Amino acid sequence: SQQGEEDPQALSIQEGENATMNCSYKTSINNLQWYRQNSGRGLVHLILIRSNEREKHSGRLRVTLDTSKKSSSLLITASRAADTASYFCATLNAGKSTFGDGTTLTVKP
Amino acid sequence: EAGVAQSPRYKIIEKRQSVAFWCNPISGHATLYWYQQILGQGPKLLIQFQNNGVVDDSQLPKDRFSAERLKGVDSTLKIQPAKLEDSAVYLCASSLGAALEAFFGQGTRLTVV
Repeated sequence: SQQGEEDPQALSIQEGENATMNCSYKTSINNLQWYRQNSGRGLVHLILIRSNEREKHSGRLRVTLDTSKKSSSLLITASRAADTASYFCATLNAGKSTFGDGTTLTVKP
Repeated sequence: EAGVAQSPRYKIIEKRQSVAFWCNPISGHATLYWYQQILGQGPKLLIQFQNNGVVDDSQLPKDRFSAERLKGVDSTLKIQPAKLEDSAVYLCASSLGAALEAFFGQGTRLTVV
């Protein structure tokens, strides 16, 4: 079974709006990473947050981590049509990465 | 910097046939991963190498799947014999270390008919 579970499974928004995706996991982690996958392509690393960090920013991306709730969120601000993709969280524990099933984001122009 | 190279991009085989995938990781990356991604799901780790040693192969169906990493660089993943449920995208990724960001190849889309 997958360690991380993303929520929602699918999200559709208008260009310019913000998109928030959540990831919940079951066991302790060393770090948590977010990846993007465009249709038919490989995954692209977006951001890594360590277990002792609570928030990280990268451009229009903001990631939070709450280890007490075993959850993380990815916020994409001022979304663009090019942000349309699937987004996955991956948890790292004892050297092993485990992916969730992703959130499919559609940004309508 | 060159990315992770995988070949072939697409493969169609009949069930019970064998197939092999090749991966060339980013130069200097000690950790190499093979993932299986079934349509609509996230990647599932099949095997993880650290240099040419296996770190984790707990989810590799060893009765039909095998993988090796020659001299700690290139890697091949083989399926023999293939089943219909093996239809998926097989992704190779590499990283400098297990706790660091992974770089993915474009994947090989396998269809078993």
